[in-house]
Formats: sequence, C-alpha cells, structure tokens
Amino acid sequence: DAKTTQPNSMESNEEEPVHLPCNHSTISGTDYIHWYRQLPSQGPEYVIHGLTSNVNNRMASLAIAEDRKSSTLILHRATLRDAAVYYCILRVTQGGSEKLVFGKGTKLTVNP
Amino acid sequence: KAGVTQTPRYLIKTRGQQVTLSCSPISGHRSVSWYQQTPGQGLQFLFEYFSETQRNKGNFPGRFSGRQFSNSRSEMNVSTLELGDSALYLCASSLVQGLYEQYFGPGTRLTVT
Repeated sequence: DAKTTQPNSMESNEEEPVHLPCNHSTISGTDYIHWYRQLPSQGPEYVIHGLTSNVNNRMASLAIAEDRKSSTLILHRATLRDAAVYYCILRVTQGGSEKLVFGKGTKLTVNP
Repeated sequence: KAGVTQTPRYLIKTRGQQVTLSCSPISGHRSVSWYQQTPGQGLQFLFEYFSETQRNKGNFPGRFSGRQFSNSRSEMNVSTLELGDSALYLCASSLVQGLYEQYFGPGTRLTVT
C-alpha cells in the first residue's frame, strides 16, 4: 500500500528557509505527490503538488528526487504564519479509483 | 469569493442513529470530496463527487455514503453510527475532478455517544 513517512516535528526560525522531508519509497509511476498544511482549528490548505519535476509556486517549492522515492517541501522564508502541520500525500490510483493517502504530518514550529 | 461551508459545525449523536452532513463548495467548483480526521487514524479520504456522480472512493464501509446535487452542493450520510465514527469530517471542493488543488471547509465535528 502507498505510504508516506515524515518526521513528527521540526523547528525553524523566522525568515530562514525550511526543508520538510518526505519518504515515499512505495510510490508508483503515476502517483502524484501533494502537500497540504493545516493550521490549528482549520481545514487543510493546499500548498503544492508534482509528479516528476521540481515545482515552484508562490507559497513553496517542491523538490522531487530523481528516483521519486523522496521529496522535500521548501519554504523559502518561514514566517510565524507558516507554523502548521504539513502533510505529504500521495495521490494514488487503485482499482480504477483515485484517492489521497495522507502521511501523519510534520508539525512545524517557527520561532520569532 | 466565499469559501467552502459546512453545516452543522458540531453534532452529537447516539450510537445506532444516522447523520447527514452538508457541504457547499466554492462557487464554480464542481468537485466535492469528503475526508475523516481522527487523532488515531489521521486524515482519510472517503469519496469524491463530480457532476453528481461518485468518481472516486476510499476504503470505508457502505455505512458511509454521499450524494451531490445539480448545484454541486453535497451531503454525506453515515448510518448506524458507531463510537469510532466520532471524528472531524472535512469537505473539500475543487474546479476539476481528480483530487487536485482542493479547498477545504472548516469541518463538522461529530461526536457519537
């Protein structure tokens, strides 16, 4: 079964870059990698997604290893507002149906 | 533009009862997905509806069902509630089918006693 592994928690300082790792060694060729984050008492918020190539958007960058067995979400300059639980997710196709398989998430603490 | 809205926000039910949760997507979004979040199992995908048809489904028993109306609003029903169904139920909407770039609502907190 598809699965992602993330560190339980990470800490960063404000205005410094943050690299959030994710392992997904069981990934299949058609599985997309998605990242969402969840602030306390809110629903998850879309961050970024990719398949094979590195991706950038206004919120973050996603670096995908060449063998696709791992990826890293990069926040270029952390702010206090970035403190959240970050989920690394695989979008998999099983039995003709697509679904998102969530990891346990990394709780990011940002220090002022 | 208004975000995803879910009603009710909180609900208490008794074991064996059934419950219906409602979700209104962002205007123009035609895909609605449902998720269950618990401390033990984390976030789990239930199903996705697009154009009134269930397109994708997670690994939940048949007690969990849903539907989508022509205005894209969606309802989720859980029958014969069990204590383990206590969870935060999240709804998410998207422009396209396929679980891409979803916008989540605040969730409905269901407690089964």
